[in-house]
Amino acid sequence: AQKITQTQPGMFVQEKEAVTLDCTYDTSDPSYGLFWYKQPSSGEMIFLIYQGSYDQQNATEGRYSLNFQKARKSANLVISASQLGDSAMYFCAMRRARALTFGSGTRLQVQP
Amino acid sequence: GAVVSQHPSRVICKSGTSVKIECRSLDFQATTMFWYRQFPKQSLMLMATSNEGSKATYEQGVEKDKFLINHASLTLSTLTVTSAHPEDSSFYICSARGGVTEAFFGQGTRLTVV
Repeated sequence: AQKITQTQPGMFVQEKEAVTLDCTYDTSDPSYGLFWYKQPSSGEMIFLIYQGSYDQQNATEGRYSLNFQKARKSANLVISASQLGDSAMYFCAMRRARALTFGSGTRLQVQP
Repeated sequence: GAVVSQHPSRVICKSGTSVKIECRSLDFQATTMFWYRQFPKQSLMLMATSNEGSKATYEQGVEKDKFLINHASLTLSTLTVTSAHPEDSSFYICSARGGVTEAFFGQGTRLTVV
């Protein structure tokens, strides 16, 4: 069975600073994909970044980067230069078959 | 990127009535769509996998007779909550896979049963 763990229920960060959101996973599959989504109060799920298990390099998308440590089974999201609009829930997810299994989420609040 | 459209975004219904939620892939064909439910301050939980032209696959503990799923075409899946009760009040959201690295979500539907 696959499991995603996000141990930070809430995080605070000052505007313009970087923040790391933790995610660990457990799977016996050699091939898997890891996703990060942002969910603002409106409820929509906004795709941020994807990391494949066989990818040699850490994924990056603009201000988002994924610190992928395969041996530790961690896939932390790093947001650089935080903005007020980054305040939202953030979910880490793993692809199971074709559906996604989500972690419990981290609420990020960016302070001015 | 690909777009998944979900309708309605909000619905309030009376207890005992049925509600239909639509999920459309707008610019790609989705042979498989997924339905998730999210209770307040909780994560998304997979309810069922909707397969075009065949029966949906439900997760353990999800009542298939209460949550009817129909995937009649390559671009449309519907979730019908039958005989809704207040405990069915939740946020329902669909997704479709556009490729290996992609999973697109609809805007979600906030269902309130009164």
